[in-house]
Amino acid sequence: DTEVTQTPKHLVMGMTNKKSLKCEQHMGHRAMYWYKQKAKKPPELMFVYSYEKLSINESVPSRFSPECPNSSLLNLHLHALQPEDSALYLCASSPPALTVYTGELFFGEGSRLTVL
Amino acid sequence: DQQVKQNSPSLSVQEGRISILNCDYTNSMFDYFLWYKKYPAEGPTFLISISSIKDKNEDGRFTVFLNKSAKHLSLHIVPSQPGDSAVYFCAAKRPLSGGSYIPTFGRGTSLIVHP
Repeated sequence: DTEVTQTPKHLVMGMTNKKSLKCEQHMGHRAMYWYKQKAKKPPELMFVYSYEKLSINESVPSRFSPECPNSSLLNLHLHALQPEDSALYLCASSPPALTVYTGELFFGEGSRLTVL
Repeated sequence: DQQVKQNSPSLSVQEGRISILNCDYTNSMFDYFLWYKKYPAEGPTFLISISSIKDKNEDGRFTVFLNKSAKHLSLHIVPSQPGDSAVYFCAAKRPLSGGSYIPTFGRGTSLIVHP
């Protein structure tokens, strides 16, 4: 199994809603990532978890709350989002250590979020 | 300020010809470079990589060239096939605090290969 699975594929929410994006991998990877990508822009790193601990937070607003319940799962909890948060949210995982110089990322298909 | 730049948003090539996708970077601390390919409605997938100690890496129809002095790399696809039509992202890694390596991405180049 070399897949990273993201659900839901599409999500529409209001600014007062609370929702969550989910990501799952069964490749034994111990580093998992959330990226945000807006149209015609590069994927931008949001969070990195290494061995289920938050390792990197790229100064993301607190209305985005990541959670890593176990080594296979990564969630992104969303609350009080703004319309400008509408984007494609990509989850990725990589081989065990972030210090692996040559390790590549395995991406999911992404969750397309629209905030009304 | 983008540290990894792909200045051509799109490229159109005839089947069988060479496709050349370019990427420039500004941070001299980058020491490992990757190309990812993305089809619509799919996540990016790893294609090929190159370390800064090399100037060329080849894998089948795909070759990546690195010019460190110019801070420039390019991806050559020969011969191009219609199935190569996708968005290609250039990415670069550098060591961050704690010794981790996280890639920084360019905005991508959309390649269209015409039959």
